[in-house]
Amino acid sequence: AQTVTQSQPEMSVQEAETVTLSCTYDTSENNYYLFWYKQPPSRQMILVIRQEAYKQQNATENRFSVNFQKAAKSFSLKISDSQLGDTAMYFCAFMKPWDSYNNNDMRFGAGTRLTVKP
Amino acid sequence: DAGVIQSPRHEVTEMGQEVTLRCKPISGHNSLFWYRQTMMRGLELLIYFNNNVPIDDSGMPEDRFSAKMPNASFSTLKIQPSEPRDSAVYFCASSLEGAYYGYTFGSGTRLTVV
Repeated sequence: AQTVTQSQPEMSVQEAETVTLSCTYDTSENNYYLFWYKQPPSRQMILVIRQEAYKQQNATENRFSVNFQKAAKSFSLKISDSQLGDTAMYFCAFMKPWDSYNNNDMRFGAGTRLTVKP
Repeated sequence: DAGVIQSPRHEVTEMGQEVTLRCKPISGHNSLFWYRQTMMRGLELLIYFNNNVPIDDSGMPEDRFSAKMPNASFSTLKIQPSEPRDSAVYFCASSLEGAYYGYTFGSGTRLTVV
């Protein structure tokens, strides 16, 4: 079974600074998909960024980027120029490719609570 | 598109009562997922449907929980009878089979059983 581990329950960063959130996962699959979701106090789950395991290039979305290390099974999220609106819970998630015979649900880590301080 | 729509947003009920949570997925999405979020256990998958058919319900905690998807645009999660330990936020999410851009989540239903 796939497991996702986020070892940092809480983090804080000063506004305009850079912060990195860690995520590791365990799988025997070669192809899979990784995601970071943001959950602000409104509790809405918002997709921040996604990475396909067969792509070596790290995904980037504006101020958000990932460091994907496939061999180490590591998928960290870097937030540059942190803003107050980035304050939220961040969840790392793993998903296998679609297979009609097996489970294809998304597995989530426990989350990291990020606080951006003014 | 209005996104995934869940109702109600908040529900407070007494122990022993029946509770029904509702979800309307994004039009055209053929996979639907019910998750439960608690402080202790995080986000847990309860059940998911593909083309209206339940594929995996191994996460449903016990027989008090049941889920249906009578058509492509509607699903329900029912708890009968409810217990205080069922208090949590329940999320519905939908996606397209084979589309790996992730799930789109609803805004969740916060259930409190007193």
